[in-house]
Amino acid sequence: QSVLTQPPSVSAAPGQKVTISCSGNSSNIGNNYVSWYRQLPGTAPKLLIYENNKRPSGIPDRFSGSKSGTSATLDITGLQTGDEADYYCGTWDSSLSAGGVFGTGTKVAVL
Amino acid sequence: EVQLEQSGAELKKPGESLNISCKGSGYTFTNHWIGWVRQMPGKGLECMGIIYPGDSDTRYSPSFQGQVTISADKSISTAYLQWSSLRASDTATYYCARFIAGRLDPWGQGTLVTVSS
Repeated sequence: QSVLTQPPSVSAAPGQKVTISCSGNSSNIGNNYVSWYRQLPGTAPKLLIYENNKRPSGIPDRFSGSKSGTSATLDITGLQTGDEADYYCGTWDSSLSAGGVFGTGTKVAVL
Repeated sequence: EVQLEQSGAELKKPGESLNISCKGSGYTFTNHWIGWVRQMPGKGLECMGIIYPGDSDTRYSPSFQGQVTISADKSISTAYLQWSSLRASDTATYYCARFIAGRLDPWGQGTLVTVSS
């Protein structure tokens, strides 16, 4: 049961930009940091963005995140074929006992 | 390097019990929550619950409360996910991940559990 809403898919040509949205409410995105995860086919998810807009070491600056109110956004610029993957947003939800919630997931296709 | 190493794939029959593991290394295991995440075939990520190995404080997401048991043995830096009676609907890949400052990082490689008669 996903609490956060993402578009099912986005696509663009190599070198172009895609934007993935993540919509929540005041108990999750509105009052907590957002993270983004990339899941390449057949592999475990990997942290891409944390605390709304920070990149772990090794993640290129083609990936950027932002948050406004109860929504967050992941931008991928200079799209590459290796970026084809599923992308998930995640955050804490203060109304839940275990707290962690994810988005519905977005498949990025490079045309 | 911080790593989480999960146990291998399992093929079980309905009604059987199962215990899968997640061993942490490269950091102080007792100082960070560990989360378990389910991914059913072709589906998205679901948070099942979290445990703090330092004192075994455990919290479950409502959908998983009573369905699984999360535990940890801090002496061997290992967290566990346990089922007492598996169902076909438990077929999924299960990931553990270190929960730090609101984010999950790193993740284990995943354990595929297949339940079939």
